[in-house]
Amino acid sequence: QKEVEQDPGPLSVPEGAIVSLNCTYSNSAFQYFMWYRQYSRKGPELLMYTYSSGNKEDGRFTAQVDKSSKYISLFIRDSQPSDSATYLCAMSARGAQKLVFGQGTRLTINP
Amino acid sequence: DTGVSQNPRHKITKRGQNVTFRCDPISEHNRLYWYRQTLGQGPEFLTYFQNEAQLEKSRLLSDRFSAERPKGSFSTLEIQRTEQGDSAMYLCASSSLSGPDNSPLHFGNGTRLTVT
Repeated sequence: QKEVEQDPGPLSVPEGAIVSLNCTYSNSAFQYFMWYRQYSRKGPELLMYTYSSGNKEDGRFTAQVDKSSKYISLFIRDSQPSDSATYLCAMSARGAQKLVFGQGTRLTINP
Repeated sequence: DTGVSQNPRHKITKRGQNVTFRCDPISEHNRLYWYRQTLGQGPEFLTYFQNEAQLEKSRLLSDRFSAERPKGSFSTLEIQRTEQGDSAMYLCASSSLSGPDNSPLHFGNGTRLTVT
């Protein structure tokens, strides 16, 4: 079993919809949680960075962390075609330099 | 801040040849990482430098792979005697030590290696 599980999709939704992406993990030592967006043939771009449990909002993006359930989510409101990309969750333990990534979810927003 | 720069963007080589990739991190970042990403998968950690010291290596980094970061600036990743299984995107990332323990990583656009 992988340390971080993420449904690879693909996920296709109409423009303007609310998108929900999520990851589960098994390592209770993980305390730092990130979401990256990756366009085709580009490197991952940091979207959200959170520490421990709770919610964080940045524009149309909201990240949620539930450490008791070992479950993290990314919500995208008012989705746009430009949001079409692969979304990667990543996490690490305190003091550890290695990020562990999920497989990535391929998202398409249809105009 | 010009971001993390990687060269070349794409490298095609024949099996058995050696290849070298270069990464220039964000100038004030003293931590540098190499990851490998295959199609449809998330990036996998290869190795990590703090300044010029290589502090951690994954078991994925076989003895054919070597990374250096002379003077704590740019880094190179060399693969000797390439195999078809080495075909992947090689990503470099950097972060700052001055922030919290786990400052977020900023990635370059990678070098795509194709071994024929």
